[in-house]
Amino acid sequence: DAKTTQPNSMESNEEEPVHLPCNHSTISGTDYIHWYRQLPSQGPEYVIHGLTSNVNNRMASLAIAEDRKSSTLILHRATLRDAAVYYCILDRDDKIIFGKGTRLHILP
Amino acid sequence: GAVVSQHPSWVICKSGTSVKIECRSLDFQATTMFWYRQFPKQSLMLMATSNEGSKATYEQGVEKDKFLINHASLTLSTLTVTSAHPEDSSFYICSPSDGSRRLSNQPQHFGDGTRLSIL
Repeated sequence: DAKTTQPNSMESNEEEPVHLPCNHSTISGTDYIHWYRQLPSQGPEYVIHGLTSNVNNRMASLAIAEDRKSSTLILHRATLRDAAVYYCILDRDDKIIFGKGTRLHILP
Repeated sequence: GAVVSQHPSWVICKSGTSVKIECRSLDFQATTMFWYRQFPKQSLMLMATSNEGSKATYEQGVEKDKFLINHASLTLSTLTVTSAHPEDSSFYICSPSDGSRRLSNQPQHFGDGTRLSIL
């Protein structure tokens, strides 16, 4: 089972960086690490993904541990619009199975 | 731009009514469609997987006669909640795939969801 473990919730102040952790100790060599987020009353939205190397895009950065058993999603400067549930997922086959995710609260 | 179009966004209807939800893949041929359900404060749960032109595969605990899936074309799949009751009230989300997503190192795309409220 491609299981990930994330904190249930986190808080951050607006305009500060946010580090969202994810543990995936059962990751296999071909599993990509995907992050999606879900804003209130919307479908999930892709954030970022990676395999071994750290990744950056316009939304976030993904830091992957050397042993790949954990990763961290980094939002460099959180805004109120980043308040959402963030899901860390091991992409093992075509279907995406969601865990409970981390509910991120942004404080103004 | 959006690659998935899901309609309606929300629907309120009386108990016993059947409700159809449409999901269109706009940018690619959806050989596979995933349907999810999400109850308040919970995560998305995969309900069923359909392949174009064949019968859907339902996850354990999901009634196939209650949730009818039609996937007759590569751009459209529908989920019909038959004889809906209040316990079927939920947020339904579709997710099309062309089957090559992982090979081409692409993310999965999701519809914006349909909020179904049964009175």
